[in-house]
Parts: sequence; C-alpha cells; structure tokens
Amino acid sequence: DGGITQSPKYLFRKEGQNVTLSCEQNLNHDAMYWYRQDPGQGLRLIYYSQIVNDFQKGDIAEGYSVSREKKESFPLTVTSAQKNPTAFYLCASSPWSTSGEETQYFGPGTRLLVL
Amino acid sequence: AQSVTQPDIHITVSEGASLELRCNYSYGATPYLFWYVQSPGQGLQLLLKYFSGDTLVQGIKGFEAEFKRSQSSFNLRKPSVHWSDAAEYFCAVAPRSSNTGKLIFGQGTTLQVKP
Repeated sequence: DGGITQSPKYLFRKEGQNVTLSCEQNLNHDAMYWYRQDPGQGLRLIYYSQIVNDFQKGDIAEGYSVSREKKESFPLTVTSAQKNPTAFYLCASSPWSTSGEETQYFGPGTRLLVL
Repeated sequence: AQSVTQPDIHITVSEGASLELRCNYSYGATPYLFWYVQSPGQGLQLLLKYFSGDTLVQGIKGFEAEFKRSQSSFNLRKPSVHWSDAAEYFCAVAPRSSNTGKLIFGQGTTLQVKP
C-alpha cells in the first residue's frame, strides 16, 4: 500500500534530550513537510523540503532540525533548544509541479510528551 | 496579513441534520482551497479541494464545498450528518503566488453529533 508512515506513535523526551521523529513515504512524492499541531491553533509549518538535500524553514523552525538525504525520508529532530515540545507532529508529502496545484497527504502523526 | 478563519470552534448537530462549516480567507488573489478531516489522535484526511473551474466541489463521504469569490469563503456542507462524521475539520489554503506548496490552516472546527 502507498502511504506515509510516522514512527513512533508516542515519544517521550527528557529534559535536555534531542529526539528524532521518523517520516517515510512510498508515494514517490518530491515534497515533504513537517507540521506541529497544538490544541486550538491548527497546524503550523516547521520545515519543508522540495527536493533531496534541500529544505527550508517554515513558520516555527526554532528548536527543530531536519535532513533530506533520501526522497522517501524526512526525519525531524526536536532539539533541547525547543522549550515547549509537547505537541502532535504531522508529516505530509505532495507531488511537486510549477503549477502549484499540489495536494498534501498526511501521515498518522507522532505525539511527543515531555517527562 | 494572509489568514484563514474558521469562525466556529465547536459545532453540535443532531444525526440526520444538515451541516455547514464556515471558512473565510484573506488573500490578495484566490488561493487553492482545501478541507481536511481529522479523527482524534489521527492524521488528516483530504475531503475535497478547489483549484479552478466549477465553484461547487464534491468530495468524499458525501461532503461538498462551495467557493464564493465575492465572500472569500469556502464553506463545507453535508445534507445529512452521520455519527461517524464527528471529528475536527480544517480548512486550508495555498497561495497561488507561492512556489513552496505551503499550506495555511484555519484553527479547526470540532463537530459533535448528537444521536
């Protein structure tokens, strides 16, 4: 089945610890995205990548880092600099075209909790 | 500033009743428009989208949405709600002028269905 997988489903972070959230897609999509979801705030874009080995900051990139070494994978690291990391993290992917008519498809999400 | 507004944070309807969820956007030009649905603890599922053409768009699960340029709105409707429709609904837009594919989300509307 084609789709987007995120792991783990739940992740616990200790004070001062970096943690990495996994996102994999087998849809052959060029673009991938990371969003953070907090209650009552909708989704906010953390980072996005349109092509391998390239990525751009979104609206709330501080305290996060990403890499895009493979087309299928776009891991997100929540660093110790992110002071309020408790949230639901969603990964998405989309085809890429110059027309802009892309549709983003979402993974099941990872819930990050701070111990 | 560019924004997406979902005026209703929470809506309760009886099963079998009709539903309309409101979405207004503030952009210089008509953006691409989307509605997504999210069940608790899950990722987002695309209900429907508008890129161009017919302003009444049909989606999955019996939903439809109408784009009204004069009102900068893209309201979601369903003639008869089922208990399984209880979820959170997000309106999202992607500016046509952007080549990032970035989605801007509204804050979401939580739908409760009474038996």
